[in-house]
Amino acid sequence: ILNVEQSPQSLHVQEGDSTNFTCSFPSSNFYALHWYRWETAKSPEALFVMTLNGDEKKKGRISATLNTKEGYSYLYIKGSQPEDSATYLCAPHRNKLTFGGGTRVLVKP
Amino acid sequence: DAGVTQSPTHLIKTRGQQVTLRCSPKSGHDTVSWYQQALGQGPQFIFQYYEEEERQRGNFPDRFSGHQFPNYSSELNVNALLLGDSALYLCASSFRTGSPNEKLFFGSGTQLSVL
Repeated sequence: ILNVEQSPQSLHVQEGDSTNFTCSFPSSNFYALHWYRWETAKSPEALFVMTLNGDEKKKGRISATLNTKEGYSYLYIKGSQPEDSATYLCAPHRNKLTFGGGTRVLVKP
Repeated sequence: DAGVTQSPTHLIKTRGQQVTLRCSPKSGHDTVSWYQQALGQGPQFIFQYYEEEERQRGNFPDRFSGHQFPNYSSELNVNALLLGDSALYLCASSFRTGSPNEKLFFGSGTQLSVL
């Protein structure tokens, strides 16, 4: 069983502040790392898929980095807005996607 | 373009009963995966269907079974329901099976409560 850990489990951010959180996973036999955003009462939506060590992806104010050798990925939110409030899920892909428990982000106006 | 649709949205059953959940994939997708999300946890992989066959299976008992139809839609069946089966069941579709770069497109889920 692939052990995927996300930390912190939840965090509160003041509007306008930047934040980041971590996804840790076993580094062996790695194929790809997915990030999904899951807003309340909606469906999870893919943010990024990363495959290469050192990969960086950016979508608006959200960006992610990947370190496959040490088995972690960071997701950054710059200048957080209330609409960034969601649960962010990471999922490494070996022969299937295995999701972490998520980081629940609440942005306070 | 319709996305992934799941039905029903909510369901209440009692222990020992059987339940069937349904999923229609996004147009153009041929692979359907099912996930169970218990409260406070991330989605747990149940199984994946491609070309009407179960291709991969997670750590779930045989009480959990599925089917994929020629139009790529899928059903998840759970027999002999237990209280612990109460969860949100998510369906996700993608094109082609096995590619690690393929993003999943999720439905809104079916909330199952077992009393």
